[in-house]
Amino acid sequence: GAGVSQSPSNKVTEKGKDVELRCDPISGHTALYWYRQSLGQGLEFLIYFQGNSAPDKSGLPSDRFSAERTGGSVSTLTIQRTQQEDSAVYLCASSSSGTDTDTQYFGPGTRLTVL
Amino acid sequence: AQSVTQLDSHVSVSEGTPVLLRCNYSSSYSPSLFWYVQHPNKGLQLLLKYTSAATLVKGINGFEAEFKKSETSFHLTKPSAHMSDAAEYFCVVSGLTGGGNKLTFGTGTQLKVEL
Repeated sequence: GAGVSQSPSNKVTEKGKDVELRCDPISGHTALYWYRQSLGQGLEFLIYFQGNSAPDKSGLPSDRFSAERTGGSVSTLTIQRTQQEDSAVYLCASSSSGTDTDTQYFGPGTRLTVL
Repeated sequence: AQSVTQLDSHVSVSEGTPVLLRCNYSSSYSPSLFWYVQHPNKGLQLLLKYTSAATLVKGINGFEAEFKKSETSFHLTKPSAHMSDAAEYFCVVSGLTGGGNKLTFGTGTQLKVEL
């Protein structure tokens, strides 16, 4: 079946603008994760959704970052009032609820550039 | 502190020679261990996963890794490098914090394969 998809693949925005990044997980996967990959910080966990449970937001770097997951499927990561340090590749991953719950499958990422 | 360490930021090998990418972890728990590969401008692809069923894990593209609990290591090897193996490799640990499936990434090893 189809893998994890993300859109847009590239996003260029001006400092101070809001952006929305979308993730479509593998069909049937109940867990969804957002990570950020930047030159200075490597790969960092941002937020985790598992079914209908409250999300684990412990990795969000500031209150400008938020995410939601509608209907247990598609997720949107929103960054408000973007700053230049938000420039990074934002990766989404999903995993199943079966026996292989800790194997995460990644999308191609969204490259965000804040000018 | 719990962490994952990739001992080499860059490794260069000749085509046809063995590859060794080193990874050590530190954890009070028994985490799951993975190696992911990232080709330029691509997403993360799962190479292999340690499930505790066997200490020697075989992955895709001829890669394998051996879990050594006494050394807290999970080094990645391949008998004969191919030009297409040139990429960045991440040693990844799940459940380092003892809860949930958040992934903790090593800083990555850039593999260069020369003719």
